[in-house]
Amino acid sequence: GAGVSQTPSNKVTEKGKYVELRCDPISGHTALYWYRQSLGQGPEFLIYFQGTGAADDSGLPNDRFFAVRPEGSVSTLKIQRTERGDSAVYLCATRAAMNTEAFFGQGTRLTVV
Amino acid sequence: DAKTTQPPSMDCAEGRAANLPCNHSTISGNEYVYWYRQIHSQGPQYIIHGLKNNETNEMASLIITEDRKSSTLILPHATLRDTAVYYCIVSPRNAGNMLTFGGGTRLMVKP
Repeated sequence: GAGVSQTPSNKVTEKGKYVELRCDPISGHTALYWYRQSLGQGPEFLIYFQGTGAADDSGLPNDRFFAVRPEGSVSTLKIQRTERGDSAVYLCATRAAMNTEAFFGQGTRLTVV
Repeated sequence: DAKTTQPPSMDCAEGRAANLPCNHSTISGNEYVYWYRQIHSQGPQYIIHGLKNNETNEMASLIITEDRKSSTLILPHATLRDTAVYYCIVSPRNAGNMLTFGGGTRLMVKP
């Protein structure tokens, strides 16, 4: 498939553990965004990559959250010392260029117990 | 903060046109209006976007008022599969072009 792929689709982890969420973008899409969506709310921006660099990480809620995109393609969102409040759907979106449509993945549903 | 205001919910009869309004009174000259929708348990899906002219594609039409302070998304013949949350977003065309989602409108298409 040619869409944005996110793995795993579901992740259950214990409070305090470390998790990694992966996003495989559409080939050639240089812009990549991470969002978080809580139940009943719209997606909330976390971080934006242009190529390999994080161009805007102003949405990351605290220093437990970190994201990388070392080769300008696959991105990993990393959450340390998870808390129950981190439970949400984490969405990845990519774009070929500015002012074009963004394609979203199906998301990773993270549950911290 | 989201820069748009939308009604939280709307109903539409199957086969009829669905007209979803959006207010964006503080929109600036370099900001586009985007519409996305999210069907239950899926990621948001792009519908259409525009700057100041009306736009139409195979999914919908976007009508933007002349002062650009509001817009309407029109689904010409709504089907049950159009039941979703519809998000109206204004986004600057500078670097980043971030999409800031508000609460959206939950459209229920009824038979």
